[in-house]
Amino acid sequence: RKEVEQDPGPFNVPEGATVAFNCTYSNSASQSFFWYRQDCRKEPKLLMSVYSSGNEDGRFTAQLNRASQYISLLIRDSKLSDSATYLCVVSNTGNQFYFGTGTSLTVIP
Amino acid sequence: ETGVTQSPTHLIKTRGQQVTLRCSSQSGHNTVSWYQQALGQGPQFIFQYYREEENGRGNFPPRFSGLQFPNYSSELNVNALELDDSALYLCASSPGGSAETQYFGPGTRLLVL
Repeated sequence: RKEVEQDPGPFNVPEGATVAFNCTYSNSASQSFFWYRQDCRKEPKLLMSVYSSGNEDGRFTAQLNRASQYISLLIRDSKLSDSATYLCVVSNTGNQFYFGTGTSLTVIP
Repeated sequence: ETGVTQSPTHLIKTRGQQVTLRCSSQSGHNTVSWYQQALGQGPQFIFQYYREEENGRGNFPPRFSGLQFPNYSSELNVNALELDDSALYLCASSPGGSAETQYFGPGTRLLVL
C-alpha cells in the first residue's frame, strides 16, 4: 500500500470556481503534512503546511483529519495561474518525506 | 529562485554506466535530501544527508549512494544504471532537517538508453 494516495485528476475547472483535492495517508504515526505545488517541468514549491486545526492562506484552505488519515486542500476563486500539479506530502520522522503522485489542475478561461 | 543549484541540468547515459549528480544547498542549510521523480509520478525519497552523515533512506537499492561535503553540498551517485533510472532527480535543502523549509533545486533530467 502506498504511503500517500491522491486522485491524479485531471481537474479542469473554470476561472472563479472552487475546487477541492483530497489525499489519504497510511501511517497513523505521521507527524507533518504539507501541500506542494509543481508547475510543468519545474521543481516542487511549498504551498502550505497542514495543521490539525486547519489553516488558511488567502484563497487556499488546508485541513487535516487524523482520525480518518485524510488531508484536503480547497482553492476558492480559481485563477489561471493556479494551473499546476498539487502534491500532498507526509513526513513520519522528519527525515523521510512521502509525496503523493500529484493532482493535476487546469483552470480554464 | 531558491538558491539551490544542481548540475548538470540534463544527462544521457547508457545501461550499466555510472553517474554523479551534484547539488549546492542554500546558504545556511546543512541538510540535503535527494528525490527521484519518474514521469507522471510524485518525487520518491532516496536519502537525506545532515552534517555529512546519512540521516534517513528510502526504498532504493545500494547502487544509489551519496555524499555530503563540509560546505554541505552533496552528490548522488548511481552505479550500474538501468532503464528505469530515467527520471528527474531533485535535491532539496533545509536548515536542520526541517520539512517546512525544504527548498528544491531545478533538478537533473537523466535519460538512460
